[in-house]
Amino acid sequence: DIVMTQTPLSLSVTPGQPASISCKSSESLLHNNGRTHLNWYLQRPGQPPQLLIYEISNRFSGVPDRFGGSGSGTDFTLKISRVEAEDVGVYYCMQSIQSPTFGQGTRLEIK
Amino acid sequence: QVRLVQSGAEVKRPGASVKVSCKASGYTFTGYYIHWLRQAPGQGLEWMGRISPNSGGTKYAENFQGRVTLTRDTSINTAYMELSGLRSDDRAVYYCAREDGYCRGGTCYPWFDPWGQGTLVTISS
Repeated sequence: DIVMTQTPLSLSVTPGQPASISCKSSESLLHNNGRTHLNWYLQRPGQPPQLLIYEISNRFSGVPDRFGGSGSGTDFTLKISRVEAEDVGVYYCMQSIQSPTFGQGTRLEIK
Repeated sequence: QVRLVQSGAEVKRPGASVKVSCKASGYTFTGYYIHWLRQAPGQGLEWMGRISPNSGGTKYAENFQGRVTLTRDTSINTAYMELSGLRSDDRAVYYCAREDGYCRGGTCYPWFDPWGQGTLVTISS
């Protein structure tokens, strides 16, 4: 299985400030189809996960543009340009080039 | 809108089986794979397998081979996950999720949206 490693595991951010989460995979997520199969989810407290970003950097429908994804190969980053209170929760990266596996999650709280 | 609604919480004895349902609405049920995942208390997400509602074809994660069975009933737009031989470490919230994603050459590279609300399965003697 591909191992996904996120850092940090938690972060505390003042509203209006940026936040960044790193995700590294044990194998390249670039397929020979030219696409990279890395997605990001947010799980708000007491809720199921919700899709934020697919294929590195494509924001899903309704996701605010303060969320941005970047990276390539085995190294990826989720950035929030200005954190808001509603962004609290646990963020997961997920690879789907093989049977899906997830990072351990990064808990974001508001200072 | 597209929705997945799961059955309610379950309490089972060790060694028993549990069957969780996932009812789809707002889209063509046979047009999208359904995946099952679980989340142990305070833990991350673990993929269990997926089913094609159209063909009934399944794929299971190695960790669950032989213990999990995915089925569907297209007449009522519902998918099912049955887990047998329950152990204490099977205590978790079980989710269904609809696959979306990129498909090419008969292989799909999924992302999941939406997810069901989750079903808590507790193991207790």
